[in-house]
Amino acid sequence: GNSVTQMEGPVTLSEEAFLTINCTYTATGYPSLFWYVQYPGEGLQLLLKATKADDKGSNKGFEATYRKETTSFHLEKGSVQVSDSAVYFCALSDLQGAQKLVFGQGTRLTINP
Amino acid sequence: NAGVTQTPKFQVLKTGQSMTLQCAQDMNHEYMSWYRQDPGMGLRLIHYSVGAGITDQGEVPNGYNVSRSTTEDFPLRLLSAAPSQTSVYFCASSWAAGYGYTFGSGTRLTVV
Repeated sequence: GNSVTQMEGPVTLSEEAFLTINCTYTATGYPSLFWYVQYPGEGLQLLLKATKADDKGSNKGFEATYRKETTSFHLEKGSVQVSDSAVYFCALSDLQGAQKLVFGQGTRLTINP
Repeated sequence: NAGVTQTPKFQVLKTGQSMTLQCAQDMNHEYMSWYRQDPGMGLRLIHYSVGAGITDQGEVPNGYNVSRSTTEDFPLRLLSAAPSQTSVYFCASSWAAGYGYTFGSGTRLTVV
């Protein structure tokens, strides 16, 4: 079945540092890939997505590229801010059938001023 | 546009009690899902629906029941609450999975 593996956290960085959160997946076919963000006490918000190989999703300075050859979708940001502190989830979804979302376990990110 | 609305936000139940978690969306989305979030385990799919009248089990369906009589509503029923069902529950909906799901703000459930 489909699965997603994220780098284990927590991750602690200083403000303006470079961020990478690794995500790899296992899937049949060609899924869509997502990054969701969860701020404390809130639900999940879609951060960015990519629907086919070599697509780059981007939003709020975050980027991730759909790499089919390495089955990866790593999240990057060039200069993080304190307000980026949150839990980040990588997820995939088949584009056919039930189109269910499958999540990684989440990575807690803390940015210190 | 309200999006996905979940009620209640917090609930405490005694072991053996039953209750229904409500979920409503006003975006005319066909796809709806229920997840539970537990520390260190990400989000796990409980039940899902691909349209009114059509539901199916996800990864962790035991102890839960769902129905989908309308496009807008997708309630989750706990039949006989157990402490293992203490969790945060999220409802989500989507027009099509390639566009991503919209999540509600969650229900924090404690079973004592």
